[in-house]
Amino acid sequence: DAKTTQPPSMDCAEGRAANLPCNHSTISGNEYVYWYRQIHSQGPQYIIHGLKNNETNEMASLIITEDRKSSTLILPHATLRDTAVYYCIVRVARVRTSYDKVIFGPGTSLSVIP
Amino acid sequence: EAGVTQFPSHSVIEKGQTVTLRCDPISGHDNLYWYRRVMGKEIKFLLHFVKESKQDESGMPNNRFLAERTGGTYSTLKVQPAELEDSGVYFCASSQDRSDNEQFFGPGTRLTVL
Repeated sequence: DAKTTQPPSMDCAEGRAANLPCNHSTISGNEYVYWYRQIHSQGPQYIIHGLKNNETNEMASLIITEDRKSSTLILPHATLRDTAVYYCIVRVARVRTSYDKVIFGPGTSLSVIP
Repeated sequence: EAGVTQFPSHSVIEKGQTVTLRCDPISGHDNLYWYRRVMGKEIKFLLHFVKESKQDESGMPNNRFLAERTGGTYSTLKVQPAELEDSGVYFCASSQDRSDNEQFFGPGTRLTVL
């Protein structure tokens, strides 16, 4: 799996959009970009994933650059409950193989401030 | 639909003792994964079951760790004998056989070895 680079920490004011960047300059053509988060004392939680098109779901939006070397996770209206460590992961979506595992990096610690 | 459950939520044992952690995946999920985070480190993959078979156990640290998934439903992870460095949070995740392979994580078991 390709490596990713994320800032170690970020702050965001409550109610504002949180934009979390991720660099993955060595991503391969068949690798997806996944985002997970871990709220304190809970298990990691899947947020969103994409291949090359921008994606949106009820939790967040994922913007992937045209060259796919970087992406941004957007939480449109951050709340205090969004305070967590956010992980950007690139991996091949290939089931029943050794590629299935999620390789977590250090992530970005997002603090949403009242 | 019930999520991934883990038992116990917290276990405190002495060095040299045995501990067994249990994971109940989401019903119908053939894939089951074990991960752990030791103090100050990143979340690391341990192993992956497809039904009752071990697909990938490359992350298992040593032979003191034994994972089983008899019948392809719940899984157990036994540590025998436990050492101080085994302290950490052990997460279980499950997923369906789909190309996006979204993994759903349990709340984790916090293991403390004294």
